[in-house]
Amino acid sequence: EVQLVQSGAEVKKPGESLRISCKGSGYTFTNYWINWVRQMPGKGLEWVGRIDPSDSYTNYNPAFHAHVSISTDKSINTAYLQWSSLTSSDTAIYYCSRVSVGYYGPQDYWGQGTPVTVSS
Amino acid sequence: QSLLTQPPSASGTPGQRVTISCSGTSSNIGSNSVNWYQQLPGTAPKLLIYSDNQRPSGVPDRFSGSKSDTSASLAISGLQSEDEADYYCSSWADSLNGPIFGGGTKLTVL
Repeated sequence: EVQLVQSGAEVKKPGESLRISCKGSGYTFTNYWINWVRQMPGKGLEWVGRIDPSDSYTNYNPAFHAHVSISTDKSINTAYLQWSSLTSSDTAIYYCSRVSVGYYGPQDYWGQGTPVTVSS
Repeated sequence: QSLLTQPPSASGTPGQRVTISCSGTSSNIGSNSVNWYQQLPGTAPKLLIYSDNQRPSGVPDRFSGSKSDTSASLAISGLQSEDEADYYCSSWADSLNGPIFGGGTKLTVL
C-alpha cells in the first residue's frame, strides 16, 4: 500500500527555523516526484515546489523559491520542506504528494498534512 | 493567487446532478490535462479525476470530468451527503513550470 506519512504539528516563533518531513512507503521512492503544497487557514491549495528523489533535482513556485528549500534523503525514502526564518504568513497546513506519472502527472497520493503555526 | 477560476460554492439535494466549472487559459488548461481533487472536511486532498476524464480505481462512476478548450467541468450525479466537500481543479501551468489549482468550490448537500 502506497503511503506518505508526514511529521507532526509544529508551533514556532517568527525567525525560527523548521524542517518538516514526508516519508514514502509501499513503492519505489526514487521513481516518483514529490510535491509540496500549502493550504493557509480557510484557503485553497498552492503548489510550493517539487523534487525528483532520484537526483534531488528541484523546481519551485517563484512565489516560494526565496523562502523555502526542498530536499530528500533517498536512503530513508524521505522528502523535506525547510525554512531558515519563519514568518507568521507561513502558518498553514503543508501537504506532500506523489506525482503519479513522469513530470506532468496528477498527484495520486497525499500525506496527511503537517500543520505549522508561527506565532510570537 | 489562483490562476484557474472556480465558483466558490455549489449546492444540490440528494440524488440531484451538480456540475462545477473550472476556467483557465491557453497556457494551462488549453494545452494540458485537468485533474480534480476532493477534500473532505479536515482531511488531505484526494485525486478524483485525472487526465480530464479518467477515474482512479475506487472512485464511483457518479463522478465524471470533461474538458473543452480552456475550460473543464466536474459532474456529480446521484448526489450523496458524503459528497459534501471542497473540490479543486488543477492543471499544469507552462509559465510556472508546475501545477496550479483553482480556488476551490465548496459543495453543500442540502
